[in-house]
Amino acid sequence: SAVISQKPSRDICQRGTSLTIQCQVDSQVTMMFWYRQQPGQSLTLIATANQGSEATYESGFVIDKFPISRPNLTFSTLTVSNMSPEDSSIYLCSVGGLSEEQYFGPGTRLTVT
Amino acid sequence: AQSVTQLDSHVSVSEGTPVLLRCNYSSSYSPSLFWYVQHPNKGLQLLLKYTSAATLVKGINGFEAEFKKSETSFHLTKPSAHMSDAAEYFCVVMKTSYDKVIFGPGTSLSVIP
Repeated sequence: SAVISQKPSRDICQRGTSLTIQCQVDSQVTMMFWYRQQPGQSLTLIATANQGSEATYESGFVIDKFPISRPNLTFSTLTVSNMSPEDSSIYLCSVGGLSEEQYFGPGTRLTVT
Repeated sequence: AQSVTQLDSHVSVSEGTPVLLRCNYSSSYSPSLFWYVQHPNKGLQLLLKYTSAATLVKGINGFEAEFKKSETSFHLTKPSAHMSDAAEYFCVVMKTSYDKVIFGPGTSLSVIP
């Protein structure tokens, strides 16, 4: 398994600003993922971030809004840009295990006012 | 295209009675299937996974699930509910190797003492 930490754990931001969320893993992993969980909803995959390549975004998510960095095998960041109240969600990172399972971070709870 | 349906948004059981959380999927290929649990204010945890081996899969904390291809189902069961089982449960379908990961809408399980 992997131990994943995220920073910040929560934040309140004003509309129009940007927030960068950090995800740190205690071991080297190839595949990292970013999800959004809107209030009372399920998880939606935003993008897959593999080290050494550009992030792959799912339908409905674009790089200009959610730029991702993956500088090494233990770290990734997700930026939520030009925020609006609709971006208020929990953002989670996860990493891929050896048998298609995922290990999730504790999440970042974002409120946009 | 893939999709996941969790037939009950909320299930309530008495402590010590069986648990059944239903999941049906739609996929044009043989998917991998997972159940994850999310306790309040805690991260997501893998309960069990099916990846084309045995159709009856045993997971952690006494949970198990049976893959039925003819019914396109992957229902989660536990013989005897415990108070600590109260949580949100997500059925997840994946095409292969982290391709096309889709979370179901979730089922909230309440356990009555």
